[in-house]
Amino acid sequence: KAGVTQTPRYLIKTRGQQVTLSCSPISGHRSVSWYQQTPGQGLQFLFEYFSETQRNKGNFPGRFSGRQFSNSRSEMNVSTLELGDSALYLCASSPGLAGRQETQYFGPGTRLLVL
Amino acid sequence: AQSVTQPDIHITVSEGASLELRCNYSYGATPYLFWYVQSPGQGLQLLLKYFSGDTLVQGIKGFEAEFKRSQSSFNLRKPSVHWSDAAEYFCAVGARGNQFYFGTGTSLTVIP
Repeated sequence: KAGVTQTPRYLIKTRGQQVTLSCSPISGHRSVSWYQQTPGQGLQFLFEYFSETQRNKGNFPGRFSGRQFSNSRSEMNVSTLELGDSALYLCASSPGLAGRQETQYFGPGTRLLVL
Repeated sequence: AQSVTQPDIHITVSEGASLELRCNYSYGATPYLFWYVQSPGQGLQLLLKYFSGDTLVQGIKGFEAEFKRSQSSFNLRKPSVHWSDAAEYFCAVGARGNQFYFGTGTSLTVIP
């Protein structure tokens, strides 16, 4: 099976712009989670989508949003970019049915640089 | 509140030496625990996981981890480190709603 894929791998944006990141989960997986990784804060949970619905959300401002399509692919959007949004954004997928004991499989990430 | 602590920010070992990376967790229910490894510029790769049963779990690349409930620990070990093991290692606990809580990571340097 192909792994989790994320596009694009690298992005450079300027403050105030918006950005959309894409994630394609492992075939058959219905849960997609997003994490932000920064040197200062480590890995922080953004949100999780399952069957096109946001099922769980972390403590991020409303500028961070996401959605999931019927084929389980997910997009994450960040509006009004700030310098502090520079990070590696990781997507993870899992079947979505077994709760917190499920293994999550991570993609390679999208590196976002905000200038 | 749930949390994961990795006390060692950075560890340096010689190639061929043994390795132990520490992880302590705080979780109100039965913990589901994971170790991941991240190479520079890459995503996270699962090394091993503990759900229940035998407290010593084996993973890929010769890694193992031992779950000790009394100490709230899930330490990762490897008997003989290879230069290719140099990477960042993350311990995580699975929480409600498919959310993982991660430790801050331990960076491993391997000296030839």
